[in-house]
Amino acid sequence: EPEVTQTPSHQVTQMGQEVILRCVPISNHLYFYWYRQILGQKVEFLVSFYNNEISEKSEIFDDQFSVERPDGSNFTLKIRSTKLEDSAMYFCASREDRAGGYTFGSGTRLTVV
Amino acid sequence: GQQVMQIPQYQHVQEGEDFTTYCNSSTTLSNIQWYKQRPGGHPVFLIQLVKSGEVKKQKRLTFQFGEAKKNSSLHITATQTTDVGTYFCAGGNDMRFGAGTRLTVKP
Repeated sequence: EPEVTQTPSHQVTQMGQEVILRCVPISNHLYFYWYRQILGQKVEFLVSFYNNEISEKSEIFDDQFSVERPDGSNFTLKIRSTKLEDSAMYFCASREDRAGGYTFGSGTRLTVV
Repeated sequence: GQQVMQIPQYQHVQEGEDFTTYCNSSTTLSNIQWYKQRPGGHPVFLIQLVKSGEVKKQKRLTFQFGEAKKNSSLHITATQTTDVGTYFCAGGNDMRFGAGTRLTVKP
């Protein structure tokens, strides 16, 4: 069964450093998403991406965050200057169309120290 | 923004008992989806409901979408230990997730 692949599985970074989280969505999917989940809490929407541009973003997705689809397969989330409160599991998800269910990747656990 | 509320936050049941989680929105939802997240895992899509009053079944799981499309429920009949996890609803075009209901099952 097709999967959404995320790398790395775990990233430790120092506060103030930039991090890039990588995702390879399912190849025929057109809609891409980033979510985060602070330990033990709910899944929070960050951003959605379609047709090479952001379609929606949440209040969490401030100027420190950016997304890119640099080529035909990768979808990245960049955090410019990490803060301690950015520590969370970051999930990438994709879906084929707006009527379908989301397929989530296994996540990247980001730890900011 | 659109808020999706989910109750209860936790539910502990004896194996064989039934379980229900409820999802409520202050606004009409175009659709609602349900996900299951096992401990340490990622959300896995279970089902999507689109029509008012829709009811769908997956083996022991029954999903309902309210007539007003503002609420939904997931009911598990005769829980098993494999049902353990957190069940999330997510609604609307931007897929806002509820806080989830964490289900534990005592064998």
